[in-house]
Amino acid sequence: QITLKESGPALVKPTQTLTLTCTFSGFSLSTFGVGVGWIRQPPGKALEWLAITYWDGDQRYNWSLHSRLTITPDTSKNQVALTMTNMDPVDTATYYCARGTWSSFDSWGPGTLVTVSS
Amino acid sequence: EVVLTQSPDILSLSPGEGATLSCRASQSVSSSWLAWYQQKPGQAPRLLIYATSTRASGIPDRFSGSGSGTDFTLTISKLEPEDFAVYFCQQYADLPPVFTFGPGTKVEI
Repeated sequence: QITLKESGPALVKPTQTLTLTCTFSGFSLSTFGVGVGWIRQPPGKALEWLAITYWDGDQRYNWSLHSRLTITPDTSKNQVALTMTNMDPVDTATYYCARGTWSSFDSWGPGTLVTVSS
Repeated sequence: EVVLTQSPDILSLSPGEGATLSCRASQSVSSSWLAWYQQKPGQAPRLLIYATSTRASGIPDRFSGSGSGTDFTLTISKLEPEDFAVYFCQQYADLPPVFTFGPGTKVEI
C-alpha cells in the first residue's frame, strides 16, 4: 500500500522560508520511472505543480517559481523535502506531495494547509 | 507553455445521467501525457485516467477518456452520488519538463 504524508508548519510569516517534508511508504524512489513531486492549491483555486525529483536524481521545477524552490530527496529515510523561500500571503495554499510516474501523479498525500500571515 | 482550459465550469446533473467534460490545450499535447483527476471537498486529488484513456487502478469503468491533439474529453457514463466532485485535466511536457493543470470542472447535483 502506497502512502504519502506531508508535514511542516501551518503558519509562516511573510519573507520567511517554508520547509515541508513528504514521508512516503510502499514504494522506493530508487525505482526506475518513479518520482515524488509537490503540488499546491490555494483555497478554492486550481492545482499548481511546483517541483519533482526523480529516481535518477534529476530534479525539475516550475519555471515561474524555480528561484525560490529547492527539492531534496532522502532515499534512506523515504522522504522528500521542499523548501520555498521568501514566502508571501499569495503562497497560502494546501501543499500536496504525490508519487509521479512519468507523466501523472498516481498517489497523493492528504495535503497540509500553509498560511502566510504576519 | 501549454495552457489548459476546461468546460463547462460547472455541470449540473442528476444521478444516473451522463457527463461529458472537456479539456482543451493551447497547443498539441501528446496523448501519452494527458491525465484526469477527481477531487472531493477536503480531499486530495485522485488519479482517474492517464495517457488520455487508461483508467488508473481501481477506477470504475463508467469513467472513460478520449481525445487527441488539443481536445480531450472525460466521460462519466452514469453518475453515481459519489461522482459529484471537481475534475481536473493535467498535461505533461518534457521540454522543459512541466506539469500543467486545468482550472477544473465542478460536477454538481
